[in-house]
Amino acid sequence: IQLTQSPSFLSASVGDRVTITCRASQDIGNYLAWYQQKPGKAPDLLIYGASTLQNGVPSRFGGSGSGTEFTLTISSLQPEDFATYYCQQLNMYPLTFGGGTKVEIK
Amino acid sequence: QVQLQQWGAGLLKPSETLSLTCAVYGESFSGYYWTWIRQAPGKGLEWIGEINHGGTTHDNPSLKGRLTISVDTSKNQFSLQLTSLIAADSAVYFCARARTQSFGVFLVPYYLDSWGQGTPVTVSS
Repeated sequence: IQLTQSPSFLSASVGDRVTITCRASQDIGNYLAWYQQKPGKAPDLLIYGASTLQNGVPSRFGGSGSGTEFTLTISSLQPEDFATYYCQQLNMYPLTFGGGTKVEIK
Repeated sequence: QVQLQQWGAGLLKPSETLSLTCAVYGESFSGYYWTWIRQAPGKGLEWIGEINHGGTTHDNPSLKGRLTISVDTSKNQFSLQLTSLIAADSAVYFCARARTQSFGVFLVPYYLDSWGQGTPVTVSS
């Protein structure tokens, strides 16, 4: 299953609302997770089951969607949110990741 | 709180075999899938494969039979071996824990909630 993230790069300011889209090549139900990765670090889980916030993740992060189209929304971008974001499908083997969306400071 | 600590050789030559091990501390080893992921320089994440405490494995067909994932439940460790290395195998390799959920009588991976620190691997002659 191929996951296509868009945009691959976005430039935004602190306080902006940011939306990242992940499209699956076939129906994956709600078997989608979102991760945040900062340079030189392992990814951190943000969202699982398409919309469930991982414990400890700020409520400004939200996930939605099912089937083939999913979104990750950051309601008010904070300085620590500048990072690369990946979606992952866990519906079918081999498990796959999207290509990533790099969020940079405008 | 679970911790994953990984280790292995970081500089290898083409055709050699990569061996990495990940130790799990602080929580039960059973009921999860233990996973390997890699990230080539400047690239995205690639799922390599996984194993559970019972030894059931799933791997990425893109690795064309070069991959072995094994588990040592007595030590709470799991390992990766990748043979016939090529330059394109150069990457940071991560181990991770996959939380599972029930799917009929099976447990299936649901999300990756804990990660190792990563091991940079370079394949070069």
